[in-house]
Amino acid sequence: QSVLTQPPSASGTPGQRVTISCSGSSSNIGSNNVYWYQQLPGTAPKLLIYRNNQRPSGVPDRFSGSKSGTSAPLAISGLRSEDEADYYCAAWDDSLRGVVFGGGTKLTVL
Amino acid sequence: QVQLQESGPGLVKPSETLSLTCTVSGGSISNYYWSWIRQPPGKGLEWIGNIYYSGGTNYNPSLKNRVTISVDTSKNQFSLKLSSVTAADTAVYYCARGAGGVSNFDYWGQGTLVTVSS
Repeated sequence: QSVLTQPPSASGTPGQRVTISCSGSSSNIGSNNVYWYQQLPGTAPKLLIYRNNQRPSGVPDRFSGSKSGTSAPLAISGLRSEDEADYYCAAWDDSLRGVVFGGGTKLTVL
Repeated sequence: QVQLQESGPGLVKPSETLSLTCTVSGGSISNYYWSWIRQPPGKGLEWIGNIYYSGGTNYNPSLKNRVTISVDTSKNQFSLKLSSVTAADTAVYYCARGAGGVSNFDYWGQGTLVTVSS
């Protein structure tokens, strides 16, 4: 059972907009920045979103993050086949004094 | 370009100690947090712990009694020791850099599979 809650799967067709939810509590998302990672099959995770809504250089603006209270969804617009991957949210937890991850969401592009 | 490379045995016997080293190249180990993260086959990511370049550490409470992370700034390396391993510790182990935030893992190693088996 992960501290941050994500749906195990999500799907969409090319061109669609998909949202992946990440839910936590006041000790993690509610009081700290949220980060999103994309893991393509067989590769190491890659930073996708930092500090809730910032994109590293090279990440398309089709990916956007936001945060409200203890929830932090990731939105992907103009879905493409290469977006098929596992997505993880992460945040520092003040109570646990450690980094916590969501369980991951497998995105399928139909 | 910063690169991280994990190294260590790919097979560890139950009850023994897993030892891995992460070598950082293309940049300094100073002024950053350095983490170990693992992923059991077919499962999600689990943060093991981190170390600041000056030596301060944080560990996952569920692993705290078995984990030691250390840093060698002269070699631009940091290391993981996980004691009393069981089959549940079989995973791909990643090292990662935390920049501008403990959870901001901007560079990752490629990962190394460690199997616990007799």
